[in-house]
Order: sequence, then structure tokens, then C-alpha cells
Amino acid sequence: EDKVVQSPLSLVVHEGDTVTLNCSYEVTNFRSLLWYKQEKKAPTFLFMLTSSGIEKKSGRLSSILDKKELFSILNITATQTGDSAVYLCAVEAYPKGQAGTALIFGKGTTLSVSS
Amino acid sequence: DGGITQSPKYLFRKEGQNVTLSCEQNLNHDAMYWYRQDPGQGLRLIYYSQIVNDFQKGDIAEGYSVSREKKESFPLTVTSAQKNPTAFYLCASSIGRNSPLHFGNGTRLTVT
Repeated sequence: EDKVVQSPLSLVVHEGDTVTLNCSYEVTNFRSLLWYKQEKKAPTFLFMLTSSGIEKKSGRLSSILDKKELFSILNITATQTGDSAVYLCAVEAYPKGQAGTALIFGKGTTLSVSS
Repeated sequence: DGGITQSPKYLFRKEGQNVTLSCEQNLNHDAMYWYRQDPGQGLRLIYYSQIVNDFQKGDIAEGYSVSREKKESFPLTVTSAQKNPTAFYLCASSIGRNSPLHFGNGTRLTVT
């Protein structure tokens, strides 16, 4: 069965700390891995990773994929209270028995940043 | 403004009633998806559609039905056969394979 596992499930840090969120996966016919941030309603897109070892960066956030070890990390440096959210990892794959690709989500990591 | 509109934002229903959640997009995206989100469960795929007049079951399709008669619209019906319908429902769309999903703001359904 295809699965995406995120760790930790929740995390509490102080402003200014650096955090690393983990996402491991076991899927059929991997195509890409995506990170989303969900604050209250709609998840917003952060990164899409398709190649191993190439870091994607946006401000204080960065992410990298390891297709050999089947995992990705999302780093946030100098955290701010506005970073408090649920961070979702999703993998696009061809699910067994289904036509076309679909995104398989992990359960998310809830990050709380205190001031 | 282009985007995905889900309505209503909140929906209350009595047990045993079917209810339809609306999802409309004006992004000209081919692919549309329905996810259900429960606390501690992440997002679980209910149905998806890669093209008009075609759709596929996701991981938790039982008790749900969809239609895709128009490119812009992908309504989800929660039937009385769905045992635990109370949840947050998210609709999403994408240009196609290997492209990120754009999400609507969700519909919170409460069934009593």
C-alpha cells in the first residue's frame, strides 16, 4: 500500500529556532514530492521536488529530496510566529489499480512557534 | 481573479440525508480532486478526475459520488451510506500530471 509518513507529528519551538520536518514515502511509480503549508483553510503550495539532491529554496524555507533513501526534508530557519501551521508532504504517484496519477498526503506536521 | 470556489463554507445536515458540495474552478485546469481532512489523518483522496466525463475512485470513495460534466465543475455528493461524513472537505485542481494542486477554501460538513 502506498504511504507517506511525516515526522514529527507536532513540534513546538521558540522564535528564531531552526526546524527540520521529515517526510518518507513508499509509493508505486514515484513522480514528484510536494510540500504545502496549511494555516486555516486551503493548503498553499511551497515546493515541488522531482530530482534528488537539488535543494529548492524560498526565503527561510528550503527542501531537498533523496530518491534513493525515499525521503525529503523541509527546513525552516529563523522561525517566526507566522510559520505556525500544519506542513503537509504529498507524493504524486500512480496508485495501484487506478488510472492516472494522484497525490498521496502524509498526516502533516503541526508546527507551533512561540514568541 | 482565477481560483477555486467551494460552497458552502459550512454545511449542517441530518443523518440519512444526501448532501452535495460544490466545487468550481476558472483556472482552465483539466484535473480536479476531492480530499477529506480529519484531525490527525492528513488529507485522504476521495475521487479525482483527469478529464471531463471521467473520474476515478480514490482511497476512501465508499459513500461518495461525483460527476464531471463540465471542465469547471466537480461536485461531490455525500450519501447516507457514508458512515462518518462529518469532516472538512477540500477540492483541488491542477493543470495535469506533475504540477502542484491549487486548493479551494474547503467546506466543513457537520452531520448530526
